[in-house]
Amino acid sequence: AQSVTQLGSHVSVSEGALVLLRCNYSSSVPPYLFWYVQYPNQGLQLLLKYTTGATLVKGINGFEAEFKKSETSFHLTKPSAHMSDAAEYFCAVISNFGNEKLTFGTGTRLTIIP
Amino acid sequence: DTAVSQTPKYLVTQMGNDKSIKCEQNLGHDTMYWYKQDSKKFLKIMFSYNNKELIINETVPNRFSPKSPDKAHLNLHINSLELGDSAVYFCASSSRDRSGLIYFGEGSWLTVV
Repeated sequence: AQSVTQLGSHVSVSEGALVLLRCNYSSSVPPYLFWYVQYPNQGLQLLLKYTTGATLVKGINGFEAEFKKSETSFHLTKPSAHMSDAAEYFCAVISNFGNEKLTFGTGTRLTIIP
Repeated sequence: DTAVSQTPKYLVTQMGNDKSIKCEQNLGHDTMYWYKQDSKKFLKIMFSYNNKELIINETVPNRFSPKSPDKAHLNLHINSLELGDSAVYFCASSSRDRSGLIYFGEGSWLTVV
């Protein structure tokens, strides 16, 4: 079975500061990893994904994440937070490869302080 | 055009009622899903269909019955609604191209009163 752990259910950063949202995964096979964002009362939007190849992946809105196999991590970062980044962020891993069943972390609510 | 569309977006209903949520995808995908997001924002898969065949059926009460009339549609019917069924239900779809990409609908907010 595969799982995802997101450290910190709530993260607050000042506008302009670095955003770091942590995600660790557990997988018995090479994982596909994802970050999704959910704005209030909206659906899920894919920020970025790692499948194979380059371990540093860039996504939308200036976000990026680095796959570190040795640390089983896939942390999400953004150099400078913007007020519009306030949302819920979910890390997810593909399990049962072939059926592409996404297993989600419990989410991290990001608050931006003006 | 919305790739994965689900209706209704908001639904308020009384306990004991039966309701359906419809989902359609125009991406030509073979696989469709239903996910549930509870009040604590936790997201979990409920069902997965591939070419109208049930592939994944997580531990879900049998009051929930998915139906796939064709591979572009996956509807969710819920019988005898309970307060605990209040949640956001997301439909999603993916192809078999092993890209790992899953496309989500906008969600259906179900409130049982």
